[in-house]
Amino acid sequence: QKEVEQNSGPLSVPEGAIASLNCTYSDRVSQSFFWYRQYSGKSPELIMSIYSNGDKEDGRFTAQLNKASQYVSLLIRDSQPSDSATYLCAVSLGSWGSYIPTFGRGTSLIVHP
Amino acid sequence: GAVVSQHPSWVICKSGTSVKIECRSLDFQATTMFWYRQFPKQSLMLMATSNEGSKATYEQGVEKDKFLINHASLTLSTLTVTSAHPEDSSFYICSARDLATSGDNEQFFGPGTRLTVL
Repeated sequence: QKEVEQNSGPLSVPEGAIASLNCTYSDRVSQSFFWYRQYSGKSPELIMSIYSNGDKEDGRFTAQLNKASQYVSLLIRDSQPSDSATYLCAVSLGSWGSYIPTFGRGTSLIVHP
Repeated sequence: GAVVSQHPSWVICKSGTSVKIECRSLDFQATTMFWYRQFPKQSLMLMATSNEGSKATYEQGVEKDKFLINHASLTLSTLTVTSAHPEDSSFYICSARDLATSGDNEQFFGPGTRLTVL
């Protein structure tokens, strides 16, 4: 049984701060890792994907992957109230073409002015 | 990016009735679409993989006779919840891959359908 664990939160940070979201996974051979943002009542939208150990930056977002420790994190710099949402971590054994990701329950982020 | 639509966006029905949800890829062809269900404050749970021109592949624990999936064309998949009951009330989301232009790992989600069964 593949498991993806996230702290449900809510994680509350002030505007302008760095928000740090964490995710751990159980299947050691996982290869693909995704972060989705989901606003209340809406479907998820892809923020970042990461496949190799280390950091990957895209604008205010940085994904960090450590396969040895089986965790992946998402950092949001200069957090804005519009970043308030639930962030879903998804983990896959490989590409979407062959493997369907397993989703975590999500971490609720609240950015207060 | 590619656009996936769902219809209806929300539906309220009486217990025992059937509800059909449509998922369309608007500007690309999708040989495979995925149907998810999400209960409040829960993760996305994959229900089934819908393959154009063939039978859907259901995840363990999902009743194929209750959740009928038809993928009649490369741009349309439908999910029919038969004899719906209050416990079927949930947020149903479809997703699709654009094989022609996207990388292996790019998946596009529809906006979701909120089903409430009274």
